[in-house]
Amino acid sequence: DIQMTQSPSSVSASVGDRVTITCRASQGVSSWLAWYQQKPGKAPTFLIYGASSLQSGVPSRFSGRGSGTDFTLTISNLQPEDFATYYCQQSNSFPLTFGGGTKVEIK
Amino acid sequence: QVTLKESGPALVKPTQTLTLTCTLSGFSVSTTGTRVSWVRQPPGKALEWLARIDWDDDKFYSTSLESRLTISRDTSRNQVVLTMTHMDPVDTATYYCARMYFSDISGHCLDNWGQGILVTVSS
Repeated sequence: DIQMTQSPSSVSASVGDRVTITCRASQGVSSWLAWYQQKPGKAPTFLIYGASSLQSGVPSRFSGRGSGTDFTLTISNLQPEDFATYYCQQSNSFPLTFGGGTKVEIK
Repeated sequence: QVTLKESGPALVKPTQTLTLTCTLSGFSVSTTGTRVSWVRQPPGKALEWLARIDWDDDKFYSTSLESRLTISRDTSRNQVVLTMTHMDPVDTATYYCARMYFSDISGHCLDNWGQGILVTVSS
């Protein structure tokens, strides 16, 4: 199975800040990497696919980069509704695997 | 509008078998290209993918849980069913079903999720 490692596990930031989350795969997954946002008590929502393509309706302050084994999710100009936990997921092969999550908290 | 809704018991005893049902709306489990997965999340922990079933009845399972899982579909009811045997307290989690989206760019992603159902395993 492909192991996905996210860092940091949590980050404190203020409204208007820029936050970057890293996701590393234990083996290459090309650009087949997705990102999800999850708010407390809610199901995850689909943010990014193909490492860098925004799902319809996702604000442009979200951006993704990377290929192979190293990926990033950046949130520019952090908004109050962006405080949540973010997960990466390799979409390259089965079994699908997720990272451990990064909680973006209010400073 | 695409929706998925999980149903099943909120409480099961250790060693029992869990059966969860995912009812689909806005798309059909038998339409070419449809794929549905189950994912679980223990309280305060990360997401874990469990199983997938396709429109043509192809099935895929988590490596670590394969011996305990069965995924099936009911085309007449437009539902996907997951069974998990030998339940243990460590299986306490919110269980989600999700529609799987596939393209050459995206690979296999989960674009629509149900609200989830919390299943507690306790005697």
